[in-house]
Amino acid sequence: GAGVSQSPRYKVAKRGQDVALRCDPISGHVSLFWYQQALGQGPEFLTYFQNEAQLDKSGLPSDRFFAERPEGSVSTLKIQRTQQEDSAVYLCASSLGTANEQFFGPGTRLTVL
Amino acid sequence: QKEVEQNSGPLSVPEGAIASLNCTYSDRVSQSFFWYRQYSGKSPELIMSIYSNGDKEDGRFTAQLNKASQYVSLLIRDSQPSDSATYLCAVHAGGTSYGKLTFGQGTILTVHP
Repeated sequence: GAGVSQSPRYKVAKRGQDVALRCDPISGHVSLFWYQQALGQGPEFLTYFQNEAQLDKSGLPSDRFFAERPEGSVSTLKIQRTQQEDSAVYLCASSLGTANEQFFGPGTRLTVL
Repeated sequence: QKEVEQNSGPLSVPEGAIASLNCTYSDRVSQSFFWYRQYSGKSPELIMSIYSNGDKEDGRFTAQLNKASQYVSLLIRDSQPSDSATYLCAVHAGGTSYGKLTFGQGTILTVHP
């Protein structure tokens, strides 16, 4: 596709539910990043993939957060037992390599009630 | 001390004026610097990247980098109301940080007619 796509665009979950957020990067982009953006703040790094390898997950806030990219293209960020503090916009970005410019998808706005 | 600092604003300039946005960073080994524009409710859009000391111009935008002072700025000439947005400064440390970007909290720019 022309750009990074994410789905769903909006997700409302009840506290305790599991959610899965999908990211489809720009074709040919090796690197894929997940960020979390709270209202009024800049994006915060969550995790990074190079192809199918998750090379950095230092930003994941708890073990309830899990990400995968099994075939080196589409990635899924899963949040188990959602809490209200998980409410944020989750952004996916891709780039040709680690030192290259990153391009963001439209984001998924997660609201946990 | 935050790793990347920006004045949150809001910065208000009249149409046609020069808007000057500033960013400082704490990690001396930082290698790549980016400016993103984010409209309300949208995802960050890359507008400028700069890698070496000096100025880089692209249309109405000029990015300036001074690694000795750990300072990067963005100038917007002939500001238009459509430039009203939040501008995010992002820094890539390089090395073992892979492609992780560290963002400032963003500066809100308002261009009034």
